[in-house]
Amino acid sequence: DTAVSQTPKYLVTQMGNDKSIKCEQNLGHDTMYWYKQDSKKFLKIMFSYNNKELIINETVPNRFSPKSPDKAHLNLHINSLELGDSAVYFCASSQDPQSSYEQYFGPGTRLTVT
Amino acid sequence: AQSVAQPEDQVNVAEGNPLTVKCTYSVSGNPYLFWYVQYPNRGLQFLLKYITGDNLVKGSYGFEAEFNKSQTSFHLKKPSALVSDSALYFCAVRSFSGGGADGLTFGKGTHLIIQP
Repeated sequence: DTAVSQTPKYLVTQMGNDKSIKCEQNLGHDTMYWYKQDSKKFLKIMFSYNNKELIINETVPNRFSPKSPDKAHLNLHINSLELGDSAVYFCASSQDPQSSYEQYFGPGTRLTVT
Repeated sequence: AQSVAQPEDQVNVAEGNPLTVKCTYSVSGNPYLFWYVQYPNRGLQFLLKYITGDNLVKGSYGFEAEFNKSQTSFHLKKPSALVSDSALYFCAVRSFSGGGADGLTFGKGTHLIIQP
């Protein structure tokens, strides 16, 4: 009955590889997000996706691309991984982007690039 | 652009004592304010939010927060701390400017340590 789930929980890979992280929400929410939490625990929005509209944080490298096969899924693809990509990535969802609804977060995926 | 400040990296409180975790914000327009908690190796859990109405909002696990518009603050409080409250707490803001889905802007987090 997990509301927002992510796979894998841990991901260890080498520089230059391409990897994906999957996210699914069973809450019927309209909007999904990806956040990055660095080693100092700073959390920063990367993307939001609603009704096929993608809004990208301007600081995110174009090696990162979200893909949404349907409303319940927002996967994160990362090309040519770099050491600085090592972080914990959180998926989240909310009912409506233009409202006051809180976001529900997944458990996170810890990405380690070696 | 909106921003959130949590001035304390760590707050230490004895079990049973009241606790306060501070948060100030800067936004254009009306702020939507949130508190989240993160336990070790876990995702973020929603605690409470202020949108409009009463300045004192109540949330999960006995937490509450007071919105103060003149001081642009939204401090998290609890009358009697539990050891199980020990975690990382994040204050966050959304500025409802009519734009798109831009997510939350988080503070840097405050480690709350409750000592037995």
